[in-house]
Order: sequence, then structure tokens, then C-alpha cells
Amino acid sequence: EPEVTQTPSHQVTQMGQEVILRCVPISNHLYFYWYRQILGQKVEFLVSFYNNEISEKSEIFDDQFSVERPDGSNFTLKIRSTKLEDSAMYFCASSGQRPNTGELFFGEGSRLTVL
Amino acid sequence: AQRVTQPEKLLSVFKGAPVELKCNYSYSGSPELFWYVQYSRQRLQLLLRHISRESIKGFTADLNKGETSFHLKKPFAQEEDSAMYYCALTGGSNYQLIWGAGTKLIIKP
Repeated sequence: EPEVTQTPSHQVTQMGQEVILRCVPISNHLYFYWYRQILGQKVEFLVSFYNNEISEKSEIFDDQFSVERPDGSNFTLKIRSTKLEDSAMYFCASSGQRPNTGELFFGEGSRLTVL
Repeated sequence: AQRVTQPEKLLSVFKGAPVELKCNYSYSGSPELFWYVQYSRQRLQLLLRHISRESIKGFTADLNKGETSFHLKKPFAQEEDSAMYYCALTGGSNYQLIWGAGTKLIIKP
């Protein structure tokens, strides 16, 4: 059964460093998402991506964040200059339909620790 | 404001007992409601959605627009139901899911 895969599973970085989190969505899916979950808090939407552009983003997704689908298979989340408060579990998801009708398939998550 | 509330952080019941996980929402339009589940050391996965009106693993959930609720129910809990359960909603034109804080369900033998 196809799955969403994420790398790395855990990354530790120093404050101010750039981080790239990678995701390989399910191959025939059209919609891609990043969510995050700070320890002990709710899952929060960051961004959705469709047709090679951002379709929706939250207030969390500021200029420090960017997403890319560089080669038709990978979907990356870049944080330009990490802050302590960026420490969280980051989940990538993909779907074949819009969220109101389609199931989101999640990766196992990338845990980011900013020191 | 759009919001999903799961009032119980933790729910512990005995095997064979009925289970009800509460979810209330606040949304100005007509939302689509979902339950996602995360079993230990597994990824988040869809359990059920209100538009399909299905029963998955014995769980059902009815959308009550009057009470703005979407509670998850199962008449007889099983040990393998122990997991983290998240209620989520989206609006028709939105791409994002809005999540509740989650309820940890523990089924005692």
C-alpha cells in the first residue's frame, strides 16, 4: 500500500539555522499539505499546495517558511532561520481530492528540535 | 471563529463498555467533520467522515447541527481501540483541516 514518507525522522538544529524537511507524497495525489504539532498542543495547519502553487496558508506560515515541489515527487518545507518556537513535529500529508471530500494520508512526521 | 473542541484529554473505559468521545465545533457555514485516529507508533489515519455515514471498526458518529456536535461512539470497546482520537473539520472552500486537541482513549482489560 502506498504511503507518504518523510525525512528526516528527527532533526536537531541550532537557532538561526536553515532546515529542510522532505516528503514524498503518494504518487497519484494532487494535493499536498504540511501540518505541525507542538508538544502537548493541537495539530495546526501550515500550508496546502496544489497545481504547483500554494492554495492556502495559515498565519503561522510566514516569510520564514517556504514550500517547493522541485522534481515532481518530493515536497519540501524549508524554514529559513529557525526559532526555538519552531520545535515541533511536522507532518506532511497528501490527498487525491480536496479535504472536504478526500482522505488525507499522513507521513509519520519529522520531529524538529531547535536549540 | 472556526474551532473544534474535544473536552476530554483522557478517557479510560473497560473492555466491553460503551465509548463516547465528544467533539463540538464552531463554524459559520456547513462544515465537513472527520475523526482521525493515531494508534501507538503509527501515523495519523482517517477513521470516518460524516458525509459517508459509515461505521468503521464499530465506530459511528452523527453530525448534530443543532448541538454543533460530532461525537464518536462505539457500543462495546475493545483493547485495540486504545489510541489518540482527533476530531477535525473543514469548510467547503477550504483546504485546511482544523483540529481538536485530541482525546487519548485507554481501554482497560
